[in-house]
Amino acid sequence: QKEVEQDPGPLSVPEGAIVSLNCTYSNSAFQYFMWYRQYSRKGPELLMYTYSSGNKEDGRFTAQVDKSSKYISLFIRDSQPSDSATYLCAMIHSGNTPLVFGKGTRLSVIA
Amino acid sequence: SAVISQKPSRDICQRGTSLTIQCQVDSQVTMMFWYRQQPGQSLTLIATANQGSEATYESGFVIDKFPISRPNLTFSTLTVSNMSPEDSSIYLCSVVSGQGTDGYTFGSGTRLTVV
Repeated sequence: QKEVEQDPGPLSVPEGAIVSLNCTYSNSAFQYFMWYRQYSRKGPELLMYTYSSGNKEDGRFTAQVDKSSKYISLFIRDSQPSDSATYLCAMIHSGNTPLVFGKGTRLSVIA
Repeated sequence: SAVISQKPSRDICQRGTSLTIQCQVDSQVTMMFWYRQQPGQSLTLIATANQGSEATYESGFVIDKFPISRPNLTFSTLTVSNMSPEDSSIYLCSVVSGQGTDGYTFGSGTRLTVV
C-alpha cells in the first residue's frame, strides 16, 4: 500500500461547479498536509497547507484534514477554467523533512 | 518564499551520455531536495542534498547514477549519468527556507528526453 493515495482522475467539471479533491494516507505520523497545483510544464506551487486536523479557507479554496480517518480534502468553489491543472496532495511528519506526494488529480474546468 | 532558478529547462540527450541539472536559489535555504516526475506520475524523491557532505538517497536511487553536489546553501546540482530512455522524466529541485511548511518551494523543472 502506498503511503499516500490519490485518485488520478481525470476530473472534468463545468465552470462554476464545486470541486472536491481527496487523498487518503496510511502513516499516522504525518502532521502537515499540503495541496499543490501544477500547471502543464511548470513546477508545483503551494496552494494551501494545514497542520493536524481541521479546516482552512483561502478565497475559493478550503482544505480539510480528518486525522482520525487519515483523509484530506481540497474544495474549490466557483471553479474557473484557470483552475484547470493537476492538484497534488503532499504531507510530512515534521518541518524540514521531504514531502510525500499523492499521484495528483488532473482537473479540467470547462467554460 | 525562496525563488529557484533551475537549468536547463529542457534537453534531449543521447543514451549513454550524462546531463547535469543546476538549482540556484536566491537566498540561503535549510534543505534542498531532488525529485523525479515520470510522465503522468507523481513526484518521487531521489535524494536530499546535504551541504558539504554526501547526499542522502532514497531506496532505488544510487549515487553512481544520480551524483549530487551541494557546495553551499544556495546551490546544488543533480547529474543523470549513463542515461537510458527510462530516465526520460521531469527533474525538480525543491527547497525549504526558514521554518514552517510554507517554505517548500519548487523549481520549474527540467524536462529530459533520452533518445
